[in-house]
Amino acid sequence: GNSVTQMEGPVTLSEEAFLTINCTYTATGYPSLFWYVQYPGEGLQLLLKATKADDKGSNKGFEATYRKETTSFHLEKGSVQVSDSAVYFCALSDRLTDKLIFGTGTRLQVFP
Amino acid sequence: ETGVTQSPTHLIKTRGQQVTLRCSSQSGHNTVSWYQQALGQGPQFIFQYYREEENGRGNFPPRFSGLQFPNYSSELNVNALELDDSALYLCASSLNDAGLNEQYFGPGTRLTVT
Repeated sequence: GNSVTQMEGPVTLSEEAFLTINCTYTATGYPSLFWYVQYPGEGLQLLLKATKADDKGSNKGFEATYRKETTSFHLEKGSVQVSDSAVYFCALSDRLTDKLIFGTGTRLQVFP
Repeated sequence: ETGVTQSPTHLIKTRGQQVTLRCSSQSGHNTVSWYQQALGQGPQFIFQYYREEENGRGNFPPRFSGLQFPNYSSELNVNALELDDSALYLCASSLNDAGLNEQYFGPGTRLTVT
């Protein structure tokens, strides 16, 4: 079945460091791919998405590229801020069922 | 544009009781999905409603049931509560339109079963 695997956290970085959070997926067909962010005590916010191979999603300095050949959708940011501290979830959506399948989440902690 | 809202924010129930959680979808959205997020885990799909009909279900027992109303708001009902039902319950709304399937989440209801 479809699944998402993302790197375990926490990821601890200093402000202005480069961020990579790895995400790989297993799916039949051509799913859409997403990154969601969850700040403490809040629900999920869509960060970025990509709907087909080689698409690059970007938002608020974060980027991820849909790599079909490596079944990956790694999240990157060139310079993190303390305010980026949150839990990040990689997810895929089956085009037929529309349900989201999430990874287990990666906690990011950014220190000044 | 009003976002997705959920009520209540927090809830404490006793094992064996029943609970109803509510969700108002974002304006213009016709699809509501419910997810269960256990502590430290990613959300798990419970079920989805599209135009008042169930449109897909995850691996949850029948004691998890739902409704969608003509205004596209929704309820999640859980009967015979178990300790493992303690979790954050998230509602997400979307516009079922050619598979764009971008879901917008509410803040969640934190359910504690004692």
